[in-house]
Amino acid sequence: QKEVEQNSGPLSVPEGAIASLNCTYSDRVSQSFFWYRQYSGKSPELIMSIYSNGDKEDGRFTAQLNKASQYVSLLIRDSQPSDSATYLCAVMRSGAGSYQLTFGKGTKLSVIP
Amino acid sequence: DGGITQSPKYLFRKEGQNVTLSCEQNLNHDAMYWYRQDPGQGLRLIYYSQIVNDFQKGDIAEGYSVSREKKESFPLTVTSAQKNPTAFYLCASSIRQNQPQHFGDGTRLSIL
Repeated sequence: QKEVEQNSGPLSVPEGAIASLNCTYSDRVSQSFFWYRQYSGKSPELIMSIYSNGDKEDGRFTAQLNKASQYVSLLIRDSQPSDSATYLCAVMRSGAGSYQLTFGKGTKLSVIP
Repeated sequence: DGGITQSPKYLFRKEGQNVTLSCEQNLNHDAMYWYRQDPGQGLRLIYYSQIVNDFQKGDIAEGYSVSREKKESFPLTVTSAQKNPTAFYLCASSIRQNQPQHFGDGTRLSIL
């Protein structure tokens, strides 16, 4: 069973701080990595994609990938109360002519004003 | 506007009844997916389709059926064989199967 593990939280950070969300995955041949944000009662929204080792920045969000350690993280700088949501890590691998996306259970983030 | 439309937003099923959830996209995406989300759980794949007239079972296909007669549409039927259907159902699509997936707003299914 290919697994994606996230700390369920809740992770509480004060407004303006950096929130750090972590994800580990078990399948070494995983190729693509995604972070989704899901507000309570809503559907997931794609916020970051990362495909190669290193950092990828988009506004206040930075995704970090380390394939050797099988670890992907999401940093949110200058956290705002509107960032309070559950963040889902998703990992894609290929096999047998198809691609499979596996989701973690999510980390709930609470930004305290 | 381009997007993925799921309907209805809320659905109630009686014992022994089949119900169909609608998913339509106007993004010209080839691949479409159905997921189920239970409280505190990750998304679990029910069925997916890479092209029209072709679909594959996901991890939890038992008690569900799908069709893909048009590129834009991928309806999901929850049959009476699915004994625990209460969940949040999410439809997604992607340009191709190896590309990021985007989600509709979801349908909440409950048992009467």
